[in-house]
Parts: sequence; C-alpha cells; structure tokens
Amino acid sequence: AQSVTQLDSQVPVFEEAPVELRCNYSSSVSVYLFWYVQYPNQGLQLLLKYLSGSTLVKGINGFEAEFNKSQTSFHLRKPSVHISDTAEYFCAVTSQSGAGGSYIPTFGRGTSLIVHP
Amino acid sequence: NAGVMQNPRHLVRRRGQEARLRCSPMKGHSHVYWYRQLPEEGLKFMVYLQKENIIDESGMPKERFSAEFPKEGPSILRIQQVVRGDSAAYFCASSPDGRTYEQYFGPGTRLTVT
Repeated sequence: AQSVTQLDSQVPVFEEAPVELRCNYSSSVSVYLFWYVQYPNQGLQLLLKYLSGSTLVKGINGFEAEFNKSQTSFHLRKPSVHISDTAEYFCAVTSQSGAGGSYIPTFGRGTSLIVHP
Repeated sequence: NAGVMQNPRHLVRRRGQEARLRCSPMKGHSHVYWYRQLPEEGLKFMVYLQKENIIDESGMPKERFSAEFPKEGPSILRIQQVVRGDSAAYFCASSPDGRTYEQYFGPGTRLTVT
C-alpha cells in the first residue's frame, strides 16, 4: 500500500517570497512522484515528476522539487512566488500496484498556496 | 490536439435522480481513470477502464455507481439514486496504455445534489 501526506493544508506567503510545500510518502515498492496544480474550478495540471536519475527535478512555472529517499520526501519549492501561483497543489505517488500491473496514483489531501500582494 | 473532455462541467440533480458523467479521452488514448474529489480532500481513485473492459474498480462504491467505456463513444460514470453525499467534483484522466505512469486530466464535472 502507498500513502501520501501533505503536512500543510494552507500556506500563506507574500509575493516574491520563497515557498516550500511539503510532501512525505510511504510505499513498499519503487515509486514515481508527481506534483500537480489545480486552479479554481479546473482540472489538475502536471507541474513536475520524478521517475529516476537526478533527485532535483525542475518543472513548469519556476517550480522544482527534490526527491529524498532516506526521508521519503518530495518537497516542492519556488524561490519567488507570484500572485498567479495561488492555487491548490497536490502531491501524488504511483507505483505498478494496480490490477494487471497498472499505475494507480495516490494523492495527498492538497496544500492551498495563498499568495498575498 | 484536444485534451481530455468532460461534460457536463456542472450538473445539478435532486436526491433520487440519476447522474451521467461523460469523459472523452485524449486522441490516441484507450485507457480511462475516474476520480472523485470531495471538498477539501485530494482525489480518490474510483475505477480504471480500457475499451469494453473494467480493469480495476477497487475504488468504486459497491452500490449505485457504475462505469463503462464502450468501443465507440465516451466513457460514462453513472450514479443512480443520488444522495447529498455524492456531491463532489468527478475527474477523468486518460493514458495511452495501462503501463504509462503519466495521466492527463480533464476539467472535471461538478455534481451538486439538492
């Protein structure tokens, strides 16, 4: 079984400040890790993913995340946020654990990033 | 190159009615996944379908919910005799095959049961 914990339900921050959204996971097998962003009344958009290789992953909109296997974490960071980054952010883990070897992701509960002017 | 399409975007049903949610996957994708998002929660997997086959329905409630993905046409998630607790956003995602870890999400259908 796999699970994802997003430690902060809400993160308020001022514009141009750095931000870190935390994500920890647990799984008994090798995993792939994802961060998605959801703007109000929209679907999920992939920000970045970790599959293998370099533990520092760069994504869209200036976001990056670091995979830390020993701490089972995959925290999302941005050095300087904009008002337009205000959205819900979801961490997800997937492994080949579904029926027939399929990939079924498990999502965290989400972190609401609120950027103030 | 159209993405995943879902309709309707908003659906209002009275308690006891039926809700039908449709999902057209991305072109070239033959695998569809349905998720439910309750207020202030993450997405919960419901069912995974291939054309004419249900591959994994471990997340589907045992009663009132069903899903299909016919040979022709969109995938349909059907909820019979809706109750207030069914009010949620329902998202569909697609992938080119079941061994692909990356899924592409539609905009969702927001179901409100009055």
